[in-house]
Amino acid sequence: SQTIHQWPATLVQPVGSPLSLECTVEGTSNPNLYWYRQAAGRGLQLLFYSVGIGQISSEVPQNLSASRPQDRQFILSSKKLLLSDSGFYLCAWRLPGNTIYFGEGSWLTVV
Amino acid sequence: RKEVEQDPGPFNVPEGATVAFNCTYSNSASQSFFWYRQDCRKEPKLLMSVYSSGNEDGRFTAQLNRASQYISLLIRDSKLSDSATYLCVVNMGGNKLVFGAGTILRVKS
Repeated sequence: SQTIHQWPATLVQPVGSPLSLECTVEGTSNPNLYWYRQAAGRGLQLLFYSVGIGQISSEVPQNLSASRPQDRQFILSSKKLLLSDSGFYLCAWRLPGNTIYFGEGSWLTVV
Repeated sequence: RKEVEQDPGPFNVPEGATVAFNCTYSNSASQSFFWYRQDCRKEPKLLMSVYSSGNEDGRFTAQLNRASQYISLLIRDSKLSDSATYLCVVNMGGNKLVFGAGTILRVKS
């Protein structure tokens, strides 16, 4: 069966510091991978998605970036965090035509 | 107009009540539809897919109305454990899945 792992689960970072969130999927090949963010009391915002190694589509221009160095690995990064980057970050995977499955999420607080 | 809209609620209902949520979508070419459940500070989890003919899973019934461009979720005999946020999800085609902002349900004893 397929599983998705995301880490770290919680982090508190100062403004201006870098960020790296990592996500891996097991039990499937060539999945579509996604990064979403959910701000407090708000809906899910799609940040990036990837249909293959090295292929990244950005939905929202901001100070975040994503990379997919391996088929089942997806990384969300920032060089300098802003206060507005605080939120709940969710990695997800999906096979084309199917529904989407989420990792357990990473809570980021920028202070 | 938002691509996917939901009434944010909260819907406060007693145990045993029947409650229904609607979700409207803007793109008539949308291909598939889902309901997700999200507990506080947790990731969303698939509750059920929504099929054109309507589908039922225990106390939960999902319906699709393409003419009016909405989907619905009906929960019968509400339980305390049904308290959560319910998200509707619309596949707009390709890789684009759009989430509603969610409807909060609170079931009280």
